[in-house]
Amino acid sequence: EPEVTQTPSHQVTQMGQEVILRCVPISNHLYFYWYRQILGQKVEFLVSFYNNEISEKSEIFDDQFSVERPDGSNFTLKIRSTKLEDSAMYFCASREASSGKSEQFFGPGTRLTVL
Amino acid sequence: GENVEQHPSTLSVQEGDSAVIKCTYSDSASNYFPWYKQELGKRPQLIIDIRSNVGEKKDQRIAVTLNKTAKHFSLHITETQPEDSAVYFCAASPQCGNNRLAFGKGNQVVVIP
Repeated sequence: EPEVTQTPSHQVTQMGQEVILRCVPISNHLYFYWYRQILGQKVEFLVSFYNNEISEKSEIFDDQFSVERPDGSNFTLKIRSTKLEDSAMYFCASREASSGKSEQFFGPGTRLTVL
Repeated sequence: GENVEQHPSTLSVQEGDSAVIKCTYSDSASNYFPWYKQELGKRPQLIIDIRSNVGEKKDQRIAVTLNKTAKHFSLHITETQPEDSAVYFCAASPQCGNNRLAFGKGNQVVVIP
């Protein structure tokens, strides 16, 4: 069964450094999402992406964040200048575009640790 | 925006007993309610979902009920087994549009053999 994949599984970085988290959504899916989960807290929506542009973003997704689909398979989340509070598990998700197909399929996550 | 609350935060049950997890939501526009199961170190996986045009849905030992008037929905697991031990997340979303999910905080279910 096709799965969403994410790399790396764990990223350690120094405060102020840029990080890029990578995701490969399921191949026939057209909606893509990033969520994050700070340890012990809720999974929080960051951004959704469709048709090569951001369709919705949360208040968390400020100017330090950006997303890109650089080719036909990858979907990336960039944090330009990481802060301590960016430490979290970052999940990528994707879903089909067909009407009635609401299920979002999640990747295994990237644990980001900012020191 | 949507706010989803989930109770209890942890639940221990004896194997074979039933487990019930309850969630409430705030936005009356939400009409899609999935439940995800996350085992330790693994990705969240959808186990069941319900749309607002039905009040109950069942899949083998798992059922979900929805009360739109009261804005709450519940997950019921019957005849629990040790492999049901995991964190369970409820979520809510408007079905149309981009379908962003608002999650509850999660519930740690422990099934005691």
